[in-house]
Amino acid sequence: EIVLTQSPGTLSLSPGQRATLSCRASQIVNRSYLAWYQQKPGQAPRLLIYGASGRATGIPDRFSGGGSGTDFILTISRLEPEDFAVYYCQQYGRSPTITFGQGTRLEIK
Amino acid sequence: QVQLQESGPGLVKPSETLSLTCSVSGFSIRSGYYWGWVRQPPGKGLEWLGSIYYGGNSLDNTSLKSRVTISLDTSKNQISLKVTSVSAADTAVYYCARSDSSWYWFDSWGQGTLVTVSS
Repeated sequence: EIVLTQSPGTLSLSPGQRATLSCRASQIVNRSYLAWYQQKPGQAPRLLIYGASGRATGIPDRFSGGGSGTDFILTISRLEPEDFAVYYCQQYGRSPTITFGQGTRLEIK
Repeated sequence: QVQLQESGPGLVKPSETLSLTCSVSGFSIRSGYYWGWVRQPPGKGLEWLGSIYYGGNSLDNTSLKSRVTISLDTSKNQISLKVTSVSAADTAVYYCARSDSSWYWFDSWGQGTLVTVSS
C-alpha cells in the first residue's frame, strides 16, 4: 500500500504570500497518477492539479504542481482569500489502488 | 456539463446495509470513465471506496472489498453503492465522483450526502 503523507498539517499564511504544500509517498509514484484537490467547508473536493503538474479546467495559474518519484509539491504563488481551504493529494497505484493524503489545512494568519 | 447527485437514507442502523444512489446528468455513464465513491468521516480526510467502469472492470479498495459493492444502472444513468454490516465507523459524507479511465483522478464530484450509523 502506498501511503501519502502531507506536510505541514496546518499552514498559516497571509493573503499575498506564497504557499508550498508537500506530499510524500511511501513508494515511487508515477507522476501521471498524482493529483491535488481543494476542499472548502461543506463542499466536495475540487480537482486542481492532475498528472502532478497539469492545471484542471478553470484553475488559476497561481496554482502549480511539481515533483516526481516520492516527493510532490503544490504551490500557490500569491494567496487569495478564497484559497484558504484544505488540500489533498491523491495517487493511483498498487492496492488499495487509490489513496489520498491526510490533507493540509491552509488557514489565514 | 456532467452533474452528479447522491441520494439515499441519512440514517442507517448498526449491522444493516447502507445503500446510496448517484444520479448522473449531462453525461452517459457508458462513455469511457470510471465511476467511484469516496467518503469522508466528519472532520476527517478522504477515503476511496471503489470504482467501476462501464463494461465491467472495477477497482477495489481491498481493505473494504468484502463489504462494498458498486454497480451501474445504465438504463437510469445511475451508480449505486452498498456497504454491508455498517458500524459507527461508517458514518461519513459519501461522495460519488467521475474519474479519468487512464489516470484515475476525479474530475467531477457530487455534492455529497451525510450518512449516520446509529440505533
